[in-house]
Amino acid sequence: AQSVTQLDSQVPVFEEAPVELRCNYSSSVSVYLFWYVQYPNQGLQLLLKYLSGSTLVKGINGFEAEFNKSQTSFHLRKPSVHISDTAEYFCAVTLVSYSSASKIIFGSGTRLSIRP
Amino acid sequence: SQTIHQWPATLVQPVGSPLSLECTVEGTSNPNLYWYRQAAGRGLQLLFYSVGIGQISSEVPQNLSASRPQDRQFILSSKKLLLSDSGFYLCASRGWEGGYTFGSGTRLTVV
Repeated sequence: AQSVTQLDSQVPVFEEAPVELRCNYSSSVSVYLFWYVQYPNQGLQLLLKYLSGSTLVKGINGFEAEFNKSQTSFHLRKPSVHISDTAEYFCAVTLVSYSSASKIIFGSGTRLSIRP
Repeated sequence: SQTIHQWPATLVQPVGSPLSLECTVEGTSNPNLYWYRQAAGRGLQLLFYSVGIGQISSEVPQNLSASRPQDRQFILSSKKLLLSDSGFYLCASRGWEGGYTFGSGTRLTVV
């Protein structure tokens, strides 16, 4: 079975500083990887996804993530954060094979707070 | 692309009252549909998923039930709410690549 670990529950960062949100996964088979963002009292919005190909994936709002198969990681990065990036971020994984039995598994989330 | 509609956005209900949350999907047919709950300060918990009309799988034994009367309609219900049912409820539809599209959620407070 797959699992996802987000190593930091909270990450405080100053505005315009770089940030990295860490995500590690565990799976014995190939997976797809996702990062979602949740603003207060809103649903989840897809930031980016890794399906195949280039290991560096660019998403919305200036975020990017790098898939590292040997380290089973999919860390999210942004070179310069803005106050509007304050939100909760979820890493998620699902099996490559699309079947009704496979579900998406979410990490516990990382709360990113930006200080002016 | 898929769009998920959820309503109401917020709901305050007394303990012991019934519940009905509705979710409808646009832009796809025969989707896999999901109900998640997010308790305060916690991650996402999968409650139910459905692969077709009338087909419901429950992930966690609880006070809630789900139904799928139409292809693109998914309903979360309870006969008698408990305080522990409070939380943020999200409906989701799965895309071909395994990613989810989420609704905007319903904030349920049981008082």
